[in-house]
Amino acid sequence: DAGVIQSPRHEVTEMGQEVTLRCKPISGHDYLFWYRQTMMRGLELLIYFNNNVPIDDSGMPEDRFSAKMPNASFSTLKIQPSEPRDSAVYFCASSFRDRVYEQYFGPGTRLTVT
Amino acid sequence: DQQVKQNSPSLSVQEGRISILNCDYTNSMFDYFLWYKKYPAEGPTFLISISSIKDKNEDGRFTVFLNKSAKHLSLHIVPSQPGDSAVYFCAATRGDFGNEKLTFGTGTRLTIIP
Repeated sequence: DAGVIQSPRHEVTEMGQEVTLRCKPISGHDYLFWYRQTMMRGLELLIYFNNNVPIDDSGMPEDRFSAKMPNASFSTLKIQPSEPRDSAVYFCASSFRDRVYEQYFGPGTRLTVT
Repeated sequence: DQQVKQNSPSLSVQEGRISILNCDYTNSMFDYFLWYKKYPAEGPTFLISISSIKDKNEDGRFTVFLNKSAKHLSLHIVPSQPGDSAVYFCAATRGDFGNEKLTFGTGTRLTIIP
C-alpha cells in the first residue's frame, strides 16, 4: 500500500509568491494533520481534519496560511503571500480514528522562500 | 513556550551499548506519550507509546519509562544498532475523547558508532 503522498518534495519560491502544498492521505484514514518542522520549534501542528472537516486550526501562524480538504483523498496547504520565515519542512500525516495518535507521515515538502 | 522538551540535540553511542534518550514535559494534563523516529528525507514513524497509568512499556529492543512526578520520560534502546541512527521525537497529548493533538519536542539526533 502507498503511504501518505506529498507534492512537491521541494519548493523554492520568491517572497510574495503563492505556494500550494499537496497531500494524499492513506486510504481509509479518518484524520489528516499538517505539521511544520523547524530547528527551533521542532514539529508544530498547524491544522487537522476529521472526515474532511477542519477541527482545529489554532496552530496556523497567520491569515496567510489556509488549508482545505475537499475530499477524503486530498488536502492542500496554501501560503499567500509567502515570506522567508515560512521556510521549513511541511509534513502531512494521517491516522485511523481508533489509533489517532499513531500517525503516518508523508516524506514532507521542503519549502525555501527567498 | 515549549511544553515538551528534549534538551539534548544529539547523542552518540557505541554499537551494542544502551542508548538513552530523554524528554521532559511541563503540562500536567498530558497523560499519553509517544516516541517517533525520523530518518533523513523521510517523515517520522511511530515507534512506541505509553499511557500515564503505566510506568514502563517494552517492545523488543525499545523500552519507554515514565516518571510522572518528575514529568520525565526516557527511551532506552538495547542493544543499539547502526540502523537506529536517526532523529527521535518525543510527543505528548491529553488522551481524552475529542482531543487529537500531539505536542512534539524538538528532537534528539542519535548516532550509533560502529
